[in-house]
Amino acid sequence: DAGVTQSPTHLIKTRGQQVTLRCSPKSGHDTVSWYQQALGQGPQFIFQYYEEEERQRGNFPDRFSGHQFPNYSSELNVNALLLGDSALYLCASSLFGGTNEKLFFGSGTQLSVL
Amino acid sequence: EDKVVQSPLSLVVHEGDTVTLNCSYEVTNFRSLLWYKQEKKAPTFLFMLTSSGIEKKSGRLSSILDKKELFSILNITATQTGDSAVYLCAVLNDMRFGAGTRLTVKP
Repeated sequence: DAGVTQSPTHLIKTRGQQVTLRCSPKSGHDTVSWYQQALGQGPQFIFQYYEEEERQRGNFPDRFSGHQFPNYSSELNVNALLLGDSALYLCASSLFGGTNEKLFFGSGTQLSVL
Repeated sequence: EDKVVQSPLSLVVHEGDTVTLNCSYEVTNFRSLLWYKQEKKAPTFLFMLTSSGIEKKSGRLSSILDKKELFSILNITATQTGDSAVYLCAVLNDMRFGAGTRLTVKP
């Protein structure tokens, strides 16, 4: 039973570039949430996707966008990268509306913006 | 403004000690509170709490929720060096995490 998988594991970009991060949820899960975790801080909620639609969004600018595919996998896109976007990006999957909504996390993508 | 506050931010203990980590919250539409352990990158699930006063227990770890006073605690007894990690508290429906408590257990 595959857990949550993310790719790539590491990424280096320069300011102004665009980046796409990918996530495959745990088998049987239909909901994907994305988090940004800066060094020494807790994960900050970016958005959540269910049924290919953004269901909830945190306090992130429109430069951050996402997509969910029919197979429940998801992408996070960040445009016009800033130095401050350097962080660990975590993907978490869950089952929407279930009584046991614990999140299962992937190992993350470490993004460095130079 | 909704918030989740964990304390202390860091803690250094010796093997065998007992620790208590705190998580207080102010959120709308509370549904559940979750505890995670983050050793390297992927946070791993510890507990999910939805009802007040019911202790969840797993080995040396236990946790309880107080929905009236809006806080939860995570207890670890007889700590081991393998317990060294960042412990994160998260509140649903807001998908909001605290900053975490960095626990270091020295031999």
